[in-house]
Parts: sequence; C-alpha cells; structure tokens
Amino acid sequence: KAGVTQTPRYLIKTRGQQVTLSCSPISGHRSVSWYQQTPGQGLQFLFEYFSETQRNKGNFPGRFSGRQFSNSRSEMNVSTLELGDSALYLCASSSGRLVTYNEQFFGPGTRLTVL
Amino acid sequence: AQSVTQPDIHITVSEGASLELRCNYSYGATPYLFWYVQSPGQGLQLLLKYFSGDTLVQGIKGFEAEFKRSQSSFNLRKPSVHWSDAAEYFCAVGAGNTGNQFYFGTGTSLTVIP
Repeated sequence: KAGVTQTPRYLIKTRGQQVTLSCSPISGHRSVSWYQQTPGQGLQFLFEYFSETQRNKGNFPGRFSGRQFSNSRSEMNVSTLELGDSALYLCASSSGRLVTYNEQFFGPGTRLTVL
Repeated sequence: AQSVTQPDIHITVSEGASLELRCNYSYGATPYLFWYVQSPGQGLQLLLKYFSGDTLVQGIKGFEAEFKRSQSSFNLRKPSVHWSDAAEYFCAVGAGNTGNQFYFGTGTSLTVIP
C-alpha cells in the first residue's frame, strides 16, 4: 500500500502571496489532518477533514483553510503569507471511523519558506 | 486545556547506554498517548501508543514507555541505544471527538555518540 504523499515537497513564496499544498491519503482512508511544524512551536494541529467536511479545528487564523475532495485528497491553503508561516506542513491520514482512536500515518511534509 | 511537555530539548547519550525521554501531559479525560520519531527529511513514525490496560507498553525498535497517571507522565525508554536512534522524538496526546486531534510536545533531539 502506498503511503501518504504530499506535494510539493518544497515551496518558496514571498509575503502576501497565497499557497496551496496537497495531500493524498493512504488508499481507503477518509480522514486527513494537517499540522504545522516549526522549531519554536513544535507540531500544532491545524484541522481535520473527513468525508469532505471539516471535523476538528485548531487555533489558527482564518488565513489557513482547507478542503477535501470526494476521493479523500485534501488541500490546504494559506492566504496573505507572513514570514511566520515558514514551516514544515505535515498531513496525516487515518480511516476516520467514529471509534475511540484511529492510527494516523504521516506524510513526509511540505517545507514552505516565506521570504 | 490539553498540552504536552517535553522538558528536555536535547539529549546526548553514548551508544550502548540506556535512554529515557521525559513526557508530561495535561488532559482532562483518559489520555491516548503516543511517541513518534522523526528522522531528518522524514515524516513521523509511530513508535508506540497507550490507550488503556497495562501501563508498560512495548513499541518498535526496542522502545518501551510507561504510563504513570499519578505523575501525568509517559516516559520513553530504551535499554541500549544504537547510533541509528539519533533523531527527533515527539510525545503526543490524542484528543478531539475522534481522537484525531493530536497535541504534540516540542520534541527532544537525540544525539548518539560512538
């Protein structure tokens, strides 16, 4: 089974631009979660999508948004980029079943640099 | 509010020595606890998890962790470290209505010296 894939792996943008990151979950998984990883803050939860609906949301400004398509692929968008948005963005997929816990599998991440 | 603290930002151990990485959590209910490892340029790999039951859990690569409710801790241990264990280690607690909302510690960077 193929793992979680994220594209692109590296991005360089300038302040004020917007960016879209993509995540393809493991086949059969319906939940995709996004995390921001920075040296100072560690990993912080952005949001989770399941069946094209946002199911959980972290404490990030509205500039961070996402969506999920019918094939479970997910995109994350950041508008009006700021220098502080430079980070590794990780996505994780899981089955998403409504049970106590679903094991999450992480992708390699997209490294975003904002200049 | 949920939170995870990893007090040690960086640890250096000699190859063959024992290892303990500390993790303290704050969570209102029974926690679901995890340890992940991240090698440079790689995503996160699950080492082990705790849901309930036996408080000593075994994971991959010879790692184990012990859940201590009274201390709100979930420390990771390994009896003998190998050079390939050098990496970043993250402790996490699962929350949210499906447990998919993870709160991570800031990580502990492990260096292994020959």
